Amino acid sequence: QVHLVQSGAEVKKPGASVKVSCRVSGYSFSDYYIHWVRQAPGQGLEWMGWMNPKTGGRSDSGDFQGRVTMTRDTSISVVHLEMSSLTSDDTAVYYCARGGGACTNGVCYDYWGQGTLVIVSS
Amino acid sequence: DIQMTQSPSSLSASVGDRVTITCRASQSIRNYLNWYRQEPGKAPDLLIYGASSLQTGVPSKFSGSGFGTDFTLTISGLQPGDFATYFCQQSYSAPYTFGQGTKLEIK
Repeated sequence: QVHLVQSGAEVKKPGASVKVSCRVSGYSFSDYYIHWVRQAPGQGLEWMGWMNPKTGGRSDSGDFQGRVTMTRDTSISVVHLEMSSLTSDDTAVYYCARGGGACTNGVCYDYWGQGTLVIVSS
Repeated sequence: DIQMTQSPSSLSASVGDRVTITCRASQSIRNYLNWYRQEPGKAPDLLIYGASSLQTGVPSKFSGSGFGTDFTLTISGLQPGDFATYFCQQSYSAPYTFGQGTKLEIK
């Protein structure tokens, strides 16, 4: 069974950084891209970026002014999302999601992590 | 960036009803359109990809159609578990933007 399990909730002060982890299991880590999506309280879904676990290649939406870094640890099948210079606008649930194989370009998310709540507050 | 606009933003319906949700893209996205359902406090679930292809395990009461800029999601025989929020997403070009969501509520 495919599982994406994320790290626990975080509370951070403005200006700090946060690192969210996504551990995958039940399939070959290198075979599917991981995308990150966030959702502010009561709001819609915002696509953040993707990572290719096989090569380490990545791209973000460009809306984060270079504050987002995506990395991976292939030895333990984990992808990380790190965001710096946090503001209250970054308060959201952060999801990792697997780019599914069924859709033509792999950009449809067939499995999701449970979400990680990040609260930014002074 | 491609803007995705869903309508309506909210919708009231009864168990057993058939409903349709619309999603419009600001430019042609061919058939690169996904639909998700999200229940409160949970991650979204993929329902439809490629505008009309049903994700494995999703019941055939869900159907999608459209090409270019206009798309629809139709849900027939509404059951209590269907009352949730639905999002469309374009997968044509990054950033892979979502619609603002349609909240389906019980009448």
